Amino acid sequence: QKEVEQNSGPLSVPEGAIASLNCTYSDRGSQSFFWYRQYSGKSPELIMFIYSNGDKEDGRFTAQLNKASQYVSLLIRDSQPSDSATYLCAADSGSGAGSYQLTFGKGTKLSVIP
Amino acid sequence: EPEVTQTPSHQVTQMGQEVILRCVPISNHLYFYWYRQILGQKVEFLVSFYNNEISEKSEIFDDQFSVERPDGSNFTLKIRSTKLEDSAMYFCASSGGTGFLNTEAFFGQGTRLTVV
Repeated sequence: QKEVEQNSGPLSVPEGAIASLNCTYSDRGSQSFFWYRQYSGKSPELIMFIYSNGDKEDGRFTAQLNKASQYVSLLIRDSQPSDSATYLCAADSGSGAGSYQLTFGKGTKLSVIP
Repeated sequence: EPEVTQTPSHQVTQMGQEVILRCVPISNHLYFYWYRQILGQKVEFLVSFYNNEISEKSEIFDDQFSVERPDGSNFTLKIRSTKLEDSAMYFCASSGGTGFLNTEAFFGQGTRLTVV
């Protein structure tokens, strides 16, 4: 069973602080990992993806991947109240080219306090 | 900015009826997907579609479900003989893909299906 685990939260951080979101995955064959943001009642919105070990930065967001530990994280710097949402971690667990499927975690609810 | 569009935004149907959910993926994308999210639960994969055929499907995607790309732009999910437990938000997604690695999968705004 391919699983992606996330702490459901809620995670509360003050405005301007760094929010740290974590995720582990079970399928060692997963190659690509994604972070989505989902506001209540809305569709998942892609923040970034990562497939190489190490860090990947995009603006205020940094994704980190450690394949040996099967661990993915997302750091949000200078958190804003508008960042308050549920953050979904997803791992691609398809069988290869043309056979992609995302396995999602349950999401971590982030609340940024003004 | 290109986006995935879904219609209708909300569909109410009686148990046992058939519904068709429609999607227009991003035009240069090659991979198409359906996911669903039951209220309060995680997003679940249903099916992926590439080169005019199903490439992956989950245990949820049984004979009750089918997908079709009837023309060059639309991608549909048909649910036959709907059940109460089919009530969920259904998301269509599409992605480009670069061979072995999946790339960004963009989601449509969803169709909320309510079976009564």
